[in-house]
Amino acid sequence: SQKIEQNSEALNIQEGKTATLTCNYTNYSPAYLQWYRQDPGRGPVFLLLIRENEKEKRKERLKVTFDTTLKQSLFHITASQPADSATYLCALVYYGQNFVFGPGTRLSVLP
Amino acid sequence: DTGVSQDPRHKITKRGQNVTFRCDPISEHNRLYWYRQTLGQGPEFLTYFQNEAQLEKSRLLSDRFSAERPKGSFSTLEIQRTEQGDSAMYLCASSSLWRGTQETQYFGPGTRLLVL
Repeated sequence: SQKIEQNSEALNIQEGKTATLTCNYTNYSPAYLQWYRQDPGRGPVFLLLIRENEKEKRKERLKVTFDTTLKQSLFHITASQPADSATYLCALVYYGQNFVFGPGTRLSVLP
Repeated sequence: DTGVSQDPRHKITKRGQNVTFRCDPISEHNRLYWYRQTLGQGPEFLTYFQNEAQLEKSRLLSDRFSAERPKGSFSTLEIQRTEQGDSAMYLCASSSLWRGTQETQYFGPGTRLLVL
């Protein structure tokens, strides 16, 4: 079965720095990959999507890359702010629309 | 509010009791998913519906779990004879999938279940 690993469980960075979160998977590559943000006690919220034939996507301070050879996606938050503190989940989506979520990385941006 | 809603938000029950959760998706969405999430883990797929048809069910899902989506609108998830291991956050998500599009899921706030 597909196994997804994300960073370490928690990542602490200083405000203003770039946070880089990783999502590594085994086995076959998905049709596309998504990143979600989850705050404590709430459901995940969609942030970005990247297709298997795309290398990079950007949205404001967010950037995601996707390397199917390495079986890895990187998620960057530039000029990080304390409000960016949350758990970030990657989700692999396969044809047939089966979503597989990673365990998440808890990001803390320190002022 | 036109987002996904779930009821109740919290449920405490005794082992062996039955519980039922409700999810109201975004009205024009044709797909509805149920997930379970425990502390420090990502959402784990349980089952999903396209309109009123239940298309997939996780092999990990016990026979004590059943879900329905009558008329393709709201959905219910029932857990019979609850066990302490069922304690988790139960998340519902809905989406709209049409040919040529990529699917994005919109999650509800979740129902937190505690089995004593």
